[in-house]
Amino acid sequence: AAGVIQSPRHLIKEKRETATLKCYPIPRHDTVYWYQQGPGQDPQFLISFYEKMQSDKGSIPDRFSAQQFSDYHSELNMSSLELGDSALYFCASSGRIAGENNEQFFGPGTRLTVL
Amino acid sequence: DQQVKQNSPSLSVQEGRISILNCDYTNSMFDYFLWYKKYPAEGPTFLISISSIKDKNEDGRFTVFLNKSAKHLSLHIVPSQPGDSAVYFCAASANFGNEKLTFGTGTRLTIIP
Repeated sequence: AAGVIQSPRHLIKEKRETATLKCYPIPRHDTVYWYQQGPGQDPQFLISFYEKMQSDKGSIPDRFSAQQFSDYHSELNMSSLELGDSALYFCASSGRIAGENNEQFFGPGTRLTVL
Repeated sequence: DQQVKQNSPSLSVQEGRISILNCDYTNSMFDYFLWYKKYPAEGPTFLISISSIKDKNEDGRFTVFLNKSAKHLSLHIVPSQPGDSAVYFCAASANFGNEKLTFGTGTRLTIIP
């Protein structure tokens, strides 16, 4: 079965550079979530999109922005990178069906290292 | 403010025995709970979930129990196998799972052959 695809899998950037992370949800899933997992921490919610509209926002820095495109893939744009942005970034997708429970399925993650 | 807590950072269990992982939550708006298994540098893998209208859900070797009054859930794995060794995250959501997940801090399970 098709899973969530994230690219790139690894990314190394210098401080103050920009980075773009991509997420391709499971086919027919219309909702995408982004999470950040720092070393030794649990995943923290950043932002989510439902049907190409932002649906919720968590502890996402103003330097970060994201969007969901017409084909439902999503991109997380990170500017003015800081050392503290080094983390694993996960994308998850779900198919939102009213009145039903909907599990989120995660991609393999992008490991971002800021030097 | 940790709304989902896993108080045991690690757990070691003999192969073939039962593994019990615990999770507590504080937010009464949570109505959907999930367990994920995670290996290093990989994404969380969905294991099993439970809605707040149930108190038990079974899937093969995995059973999740929910005690709403105590705001407590547990994952039972029986029999435990070496391949079960991983970090297990408890997660909670509101609105039937149509909202963000709030994760616990994880429990590292080691199955001893």
